[in-house]
Amino acid sequence: EVQLVESGGGLVQPGGSLKLSCAASGFTFSGSALHWVRQASGKGLEWVGRIRSKANSYATAYAASVKGRFTISRDDSKNTAYLQMNSLKTEDTAVYYCARSITGTLDYWGQGTLVTVSS
Amino acid sequence: DIQMTQSPSTLSASVGDRVTITCRASQNISSWLAWYQQKPGKAPKLLIYKASSLESGVPSRFSGSGSGTEFTLTIYSLQPDDFATYYCQQYNTYPFTFGPGTKVDIK
Repeated sequence: EVQLVESGGGLVQPGGSLKLSCAASGFTFSGSALHWVRQASGKGLEWVGRIRSKANSYATAYAASVKGRFTISRDDSKNTAYLQMNSLKTEDTAVYYCARSITGTLDYWGQGTLVTVSS
Repeated sequence: DIQMTQSPSTLSASVGDRVTITCRASQNISSWLAWYQQKPGKAPKLLIYKASSLESGVPSRFSGSGSGTEFTLTIYSLQPDDFATYYCQQYNTYPFTFGPGTKVDIK
């Protein structure tokens, strides 16, 4: 069974940093791309970024709203992807989901982890 | 960036109704469109990919169509479990973008 479990969310002050993890199981993690998508309370879905597999040079892409502040990485030996978030702003407050992609679509999603940026 | 729009934003319907949601892209995305269903407090669930391909395990009452810039999601004979918010998403070009969502609620 494919499972993605996010962790690491919490309360952080504006300007602070936080690192989210996405632990995967039930599929060949090393062959998959991993995406991060966020959703502010009562709002729609916003794509944050993705990291491709080793075969695709671990290429990353980011939304303009987070580029230069957020970094996606992965450790295939631990079947885990990460989202390092720096210089956090109040508008980054959201539930953050990781999602698997093999053909481009986001076919499996984690349950999400809440990040609150507030003083 | 490719902008995605959806209509309507809210739709009130009854069990057994046929429901159609429209999604438009600001530029040609070929058939690189997915539809997701999201219920409150839950992660989105993939329903349709490549505009018209039904994801495994998704009931056949869900159907997608379209290409280029205009797409539709149709739910034939709405069931109680289908009351949710539906999002379209383009994956033709980065950054991926989602539509604003269509909430289907009980009439």
